Amino acid sequence: SAVISQKPSRDICQRGTSLTIQCQVDSQVTMMFWYRQQPGQSLTLIATANQGSEATYESGFVIDKFPISRPNLTFSTLTVSNMSPEDSSIYLCSVAQDPQGAREKLFFGSGTQLSVL
Amino acid sequence: AQTVTQSQPEMSVQEAETVTLSCTYDTSENNYYLFWYKQPPSRQMILVIRQEAYKQQNATENRFSVNFQKAAKSFSLKISDSQLGDTAMYFCAFMKRGNQFYFGTGTSLTVIP
Repeated sequence: SAVISQKPSRDICQRGTSLTIQCQVDSQVTMMFWYRQQPGQSLTLIATANQGSEATYESGFVIDKFPISRPNLTFSTLTVSNMSPEDSSIYLCSVAQDPQGAREKLFFGSGTQLSVL
Repeated sequence: AQTVTQSQPEMSVQEAETVTLSCTYDTSENNYYLFWYKQPPSRQMILVIRQEAYKQQNATENRFSVNFQKAAKSFSLKISDSQLGDTAMYFCAFMKRGNQFYFGTGTSLTVIP
């Protein structure tokens, strides 16, 4: 399976600041996904990040609030901008590809627990 | 639109017993994949088992097996010989072409010693 390193693992931030979450994969993958998991809730897809193009955002999420970078096939960042307490969530990076290239499995990083005061 | 429903928010089972978690889904697709993911308190989402919709045979992974009923759009997970380490949130998920995943709301499973 793909190994995904995500950092920071947790952070406590002040209202109005921004936090950038990094995601590193041990193999080249075409598509990377960013999910949000609010307390006690399921996973909601924020956006799909493809290398060399702008991320595709889901309804309710905008680039100004959640800018994403995808500089190469193994790395992506998600920034949570101008944070408010409502942004307190777990943010998860994932890829739908194993090292052999099969694209019908979803692998996750260990998540970033964000608390906004 | 695709939806995934898990009707059991919480369940418990005695250690060494068997438990079944329910999942139903709604889709107009014919080719898709179904998954069960486990999320222990560590937050790490772990793939438990995967089923390809075009395969009639139910997937099995050691103590974990599924009952896939395509016509009924049902995909339940059976955990045999439950262990304390099975305590976690379990999410049912659906994937269609294009890698779009849809997750259910989860079932919190507690294994009682």
